[in-house]
Amino acid sequence: DSGVTQTPKHLITATGQRVTLRCSPRSGDLSVYWYQQSLDQGLQFLIQYYNGEERAKGNILERFSAQQFPDLHSELNLSSLELGDSALYFCASSPRNTGELFFGEGSRLTVL
Amino acid sequence: AQKITQTQPGMFVQEKEAVTLDCTYDTSDQSYGLFWYKQPSSGEMIFLIYQGSYDEQNATEGRYSLNFQKARKSANLVISASQLGDSAMYFCAMRELNQGGKLIFGQGTELSVKP
Repeated sequence: DSGVTQTPKHLITATGQRVTLRCSPRSGDLSVYWYQQSLDQGLQFLIQYYNGEERAKGNILERFSAQQFPDLHSELNLSSLELGDSALYFCASSPRNTGELFFGEGSRLTVL
Repeated sequence: AQKITQTQPGMFVQEKEAVTLDCTYDTSDQSYGLFWYKQPSSGEMIFLIYQGSYDEQNATEGRYSLNFQKARKSANLVISASQLGDSAMYFCAMRELNQGGKLIFGQGTELSVKP
């Protein structure tokens, strides 16, 4: 158990819908990262927050947004969903910008 | 440009033998870190080992060691005495320290351990 909690574990929805994925980092970790893992694109970095502030942005679509709240949990919002958004979405945390990332178990999104 | 390259999509190894998973990286930074993660079929990402660019000795963690050749920009993972439970996807990743904390991952190598 990495200490990073993601909900929901599985989510099935339809095209055009909007979903929110939630992540609770390890206790004390200030950095939260979101990754998307799909069969054709591999593990893609989406976005990073550090203590509530956006720190780095990767290949995140405009239809996607994220935020980190004062209690350090984070949410990833995915809207106008398309079939190609079906993927495993990971949240990871770390205490700072060095050291390993601790990953949650992921949220598997299926868009039908 | 691809930063992390894992050229072996899949590999087989006999139980109890050693296996090397290849990873090459591309960076112009002097300060960076290299990581290996394991992803079993259950899906979670498990941290295995870390090597800093300034570390003079190769990192080791139990049966895992990292063969770090800085001039060749390679960071191969060596698993000794393979076990059936080692069957999984293995990802090499890099952090460039002037790019913040994010890791950039390779495409992964699927390792199958044969009994």
